[in-house]
Amino acid sequence: EADIYQTPRYLVIGTGKKITLECSQTMGHDKMYWYQQDPGMELHLIHYSYGVNSTEKGDLSSESTVSRIRTEHFPLTLESARPSHTSQYLCASSTGDSYGYTFGSGTRLTVV
Amino acid sequence: SQKIEQNSEALNIQEGKTATLTCNYTNYSPAYLQWYRQDPGRGPVFLLLIRENEKEKRKERLKVTFDTTLKQSLFHITASQPADSATYLCALDGGGSYIPTFGRGTSLIVHP
Repeated sequence: EADIYQTPRYLVIGTGKKITLECSQTMGHDKMYWYQQDPGMELHLIHYSYGVNSTEKGDLSSESTVSRIRTEHFPLTLESARPSHTSQYLCASSTGDSYGYTFGSGTRLTVV
Repeated sequence: SQKIEQNSEALNIQEGKTATLTCNYTNYSPAYLQWYRQDPGRGPVFLLLIRENEKEKRKERLKVTFDTTLKQSLFHITASQPADSATYLCALDGGGSYIPTFGRGTSLIVHP
């Protein structure tokens, strides 16, 4: 069972609202990632972090921010939600070696 | 540009047969390649990783091959079961960046 947790599991929110998607892992992994995935499509990297106080932008980062104040916590914030943000958001972590990436169950976001 | 191609058409097979899924890539020199399973509405689950200097890797009923000349990986599930029905994603990683790029995945449907 994966030790990476995302909350909320589902979220319906109005346009213009500020939202924070939570992601926590208990494995002590240095590297953490946020991906966005639409049904039947590939994962697109939004943000990633190599460790505490390290954050980098991915392909789709322009409308969101992240922080990494603690190793185990990597929240994603949308300052002003839009219908185009409707998607599944997946958080992942890794030690960076050959054990692959561990994903959370995702947050299904709907912006109305 | 870098591209990962997985067959977009679903693969339908009978229980007990061997399923073979393909991952092709272009404009990429991955240090290793990974395979994941993804069930609807869930995050991907890591299955296997194969390095560029490895030809084949096995784990229980799973086998992965990696041909860096053909720029192709094959993923085999032997003695397939209906419970193996899912979408299977391949991911490439340059090694130094620790940022995997995912394919769109191929849906496998195993019929009883």
